[in-house]
Amino acid sequence: DVKVTQSSRYLVKRTGEKVFLECVQDMDHENMFWYRQDPGLGLRLIYFSYDVKMKEKGDIPEGYSVSREKKERFSLILESASTNQTSMYLCASSLGFREQQFFGPGTRLTVL
Amino acid sequence: AQTVTQSQPEMSVQEAETVTLSCTYDTSESNYYLFWYKQPPSRQMILVIRQEAYKQQNATENRFSVNFQKAAKSFSLKISDSQLGDTAMYFCALNSLPQGAQKLVFGQGTRLTINP
Repeated sequence: DVKVTQSSRYLVKRTGEKVFLECVQDMDHENMFWYRQDPGLGLRLIYFSYDVKMKEKGDIPEGYSVSREKKERFSLILESASTNQTSMYLCASSLGFREQQFFGPGTRLTVL
Repeated sequence: AQTVTQSQPEMSVQEAETVTLSCTYDTSESNYYLFWYKQPPSRQMILVIRQEAYKQQNATENRFSVNFQKAAKSFSLKISDSQLGDTAMYFCALNSLPQGAQKLVFGQGTRLTINP
């Protein structure tokens, strides 16, 4: 079974802090994704990566950056956390863009 | 632009009933893929079913089936003989090629509750 893990299930940070969310997949997938999930808005794509060191902006990249130094690991960085970044963050991976995405359990981030 | 709309924020049915979740989408492409994902409470999102637009036959997976109406741009999910374990958020998603080739666009979600 494909396994996608995220470093934390719950995280509480202060406004202005730098926040790192880590995602690891064990199936040698080329593509990895970061979404945020908000009630009534569904999932919105923040960034994705189709190869090591490659990244593309999604629909809502402002205030976020990403890093992919190894194929299995994709990190989401909030350079200076703000209260409007309080959300559920989901990581996913896929073998190809037409294939299903496998999701991690999510990190519920609260910024105070 | 690609858009996906789920017009039912919440639904509730009795166990063993059949329920249909609605999804409409918009894309200018003729080649695309549609998905239904399920997110159980406090659990990971998983794929329910996948449909390729060029295939006219509706996809089925056990108790789950879709009604794919390409001309109407409609992709509804039918759950037969519903079970308590079907309680979850359900998301419809579209991957449209070549426009937006690298990403899925999700609908707002439908919260489905199966009552005993």
